[in-house]
Amino acid sequence: DTGVSQDPRHKITKRGQNVTFRCDPISEHNRLYWYRQTLGQGPEFLTYFQNEAQLEKSRLLSDRFSAERPKGSFSTLEIQRTEQGDSAMYLCASSLARTYEQYFGPGTRLTVT
Amino acid sequence: GQSLEQPSEVTAVEGAIVQINCTYQTSGFYGLSWYQQHDGGAPTFLSYNALDGLEETGRFSSFLSRSDSYGYLLLQELQMKDSASYFCAVGGQNFVFGPGTRLSVLP
Repeated sequence: DTGVSQDPRHKITKRGQNVTFRCDPISEHNRLYWYRQTLGQGPEFLTYFQNEAQLEKSRLLSDRFSAERPKGSFSTLEIQRTEQGDSAMYLCASSLARTYEQYFGPGTRLTVT
Repeated sequence: GQSLEQPSEVTAVEGAIVQINCTYQTSGFYGLSWYQQHDGGAPTFLSYNALDGLEETGRFSSFLSRSDSYGYLLLQELQMKDSASYFCAVGGQNFVFGPGTRLSVLP
């Protein structure tokens, strides 16, 4: 199965620490999305890439969040100086350009203590 | 800005038909998608409507009316495994998901 993979699946960190998550999309997909989801809510858009270009970033996203997709393949999402409010499931999805069918990874569950 | 509204919960019995509505306010509307998410799982794509009308995929159908900024997901011949949360989402430069409708299918 060559679906979307995310690493790690779970991360527990102390407030103020930096964390980095990785996403490996489906290989032929050139679009990659990051979302955040809290219990009982829908996924909240964070940012998306087409190939290596970051085309959109949510205005809700603070400067503590940064994402990269250096070679247009895998992507990383970094959160600096984590806060308890950052505790959530971080989801990655990928798709082909010009389609709206997104394939989601299993997510990384972040707990900030 | 973009916002979507869905009922928070729907309950139905096995074999029944259920309709989950979604209304949206958005600029730059490209289409309406539907996703299913089981507890502890990732969202999975169900359907996408770019144009007005009904799209049918097996037991699931999705409808869109762009003039009314409204769509719905229709689930027929409900099965226990359909118990999950269902999200509508509008696409464009980014994606905005609705708050989700939790469907409970009773025996």
